[in-house]
Amino acid sequence: AQKVTQAQTEISVVEKEDVTLDCVYETRDTTYYLFWYKQPPSGELVFLIRRNSFDEQNEISGRYSWNFQKSTSSFNFTITASQVVDSAVYFCALSEGGAAGNKLTFGGGTRVLVKP
Amino acid sequence: EAGVAQSPRYKIIEKRQSVAFWCNPISGHATLYWYQQILGQGPKLLIQFQNNGVVDDSQLPKDRFSAERLKGVDSTLKIQPAKLEDSAVYLCASSLFSRSTDTQYFGPGTRLTVL
Repeated sequence: AQKVTQAQTEISVVEKEDVTLDCVYETRDTTYYLFWYKQPPSGELVFLIRRNSFDEQNEISGRYSWNFQKSTSSFNFTITASQVVDSAVYFCALSEGGAAGNKLTFGGGTRVLVKP
Repeated sequence: EAGVAQSPRYKIIEKRQSVAFWCNPISGHATLYWYQQILGQGPKLLIQFQNNGVVDDSQLPKDRFSAERLKGVDSTLKIQPAKLEDSAVYLCASSLFSRSTDTQYFGPGTRLTVL
């Protein structure tokens, strides 16, 4: 069975600091997809990024970057130069390929508090 | 493009009462999902529809929860009778199809409080 673990329950930073969120996953599939979602206080889950298991290239998109390492089953997410608007709960999620379709398994979430 | 719409946003009921939630997915999205998110946890899938057929309802408590997606567009999720432990946010999501490559987009959720 697939599982996603976010060990950090809450992170507090001061504005402009970088913040890195850890995500470790378990799956038996060789084809799978990893996601990060943001949940601001309004409650809506906002899609941020998606990565497939065949592409370990790390990328940067604006102030977001991610580090995917298959060898350690980790998919970490970094916010550079954090802003108050980044305060939210961030969820890592996994979907397996094949017959499982795109069923998402979420981690428990990491609450990020950015102080001015 | 309009996102996933849900109503109501908030609902307070007493235990043993019934409640229904409504979801309208993104136009053209064939797949619709209902998730339950208990405070402090990640969302958990309750049921997944492909058009108007059920793909996965393995985690739906069928003795009290029911869902339908008539005509393959809007969906309703019902709880009857509600229990205290049903207090949660109920999130609806949709995706183009059910392929692994299809990203799920979420609505604002309905926060249910059962007293």
